[in-house]
Amino acid sequence: DGGITQSPKYLFRKEGQNVTLSCEQNLNHDAMYWYRQDPGQGLRLIYYSQIVNDFQKGDIAEGYSVSREKKESFPLTVTSAQKNPTAFYLCASKPGTSGYNEQFFGPGTRLTVL
Amino acid sequence: GNSVTQMEGPVTLSEEAFLTINCTYTATGYPSLFWYVQYPGEGLQLLLKATKADDKGSNKGFEATYRKETTSFHLEKGSVQVSDSAVYFCALSELQGAQKLVFGQGTRLTINP
Repeated sequence: DGGITQSPKYLFRKEGQNVTLSCEQNLNHDAMYWYRQDPGQGLRLIYYSQIVNDFQKGDIAEGYSVSREKKESFPLTVTSAQKNPTAFYLCASKPGTSGYNEQFFGPGTRLTVL
Repeated sequence: GNSVTQMEGPVTLSEEAFLTINCTYTATGYPSLFWYVQYPGEGLQLLLKATKADDKGSNKGFEATYRKETTSFHLEKGSVQVSDSAVYFCALSELQGAQKLVFGQGTRLTINP
């Protein structure tokens, strides 16, 4: 059954800690994305990767880092430099290189700073 | 830059009522347009899409038509059900660069029995 998995579903972080959110897809998609969702708002792009071993900053990349060592995996690290990390984080992937294709989303990780 | 503006929510309707959620966009060129739905605590699911002017996307009784003249992509359903209660997002896909989705702020829909 093809899809995108994210783990953990819930994550709690103490001040000053780095945490890593997992995103895995078995759809054979080239492009992967990380979005942040805050209450009552749309989603905003953090980072994206259109090919293995390459990634680019999105609109709100400060305090975050990513890697793309395998096509299937695109983990996101929320560093202590991110001042307000409490949010719902969504990973997505997209087939091919056309901007007309839809993105497929994972179930999300809810991060809370204690 | 590109942007999407959605009807302010929340929206509350009775079962079997007619639904319209307005969406307008500003974009360079002619992007693809999407409606996504989000149920509580879950990720986004694609509801429908349209890739060119006058295209009509449809799924599960929902419809939306890509109107280039009015730069709109309004979501409609003739008879809503309690199970349609969710948050609905209108989005466009940028055709260059990151090819990211640009989202509206979302509209929370509640259907009462």
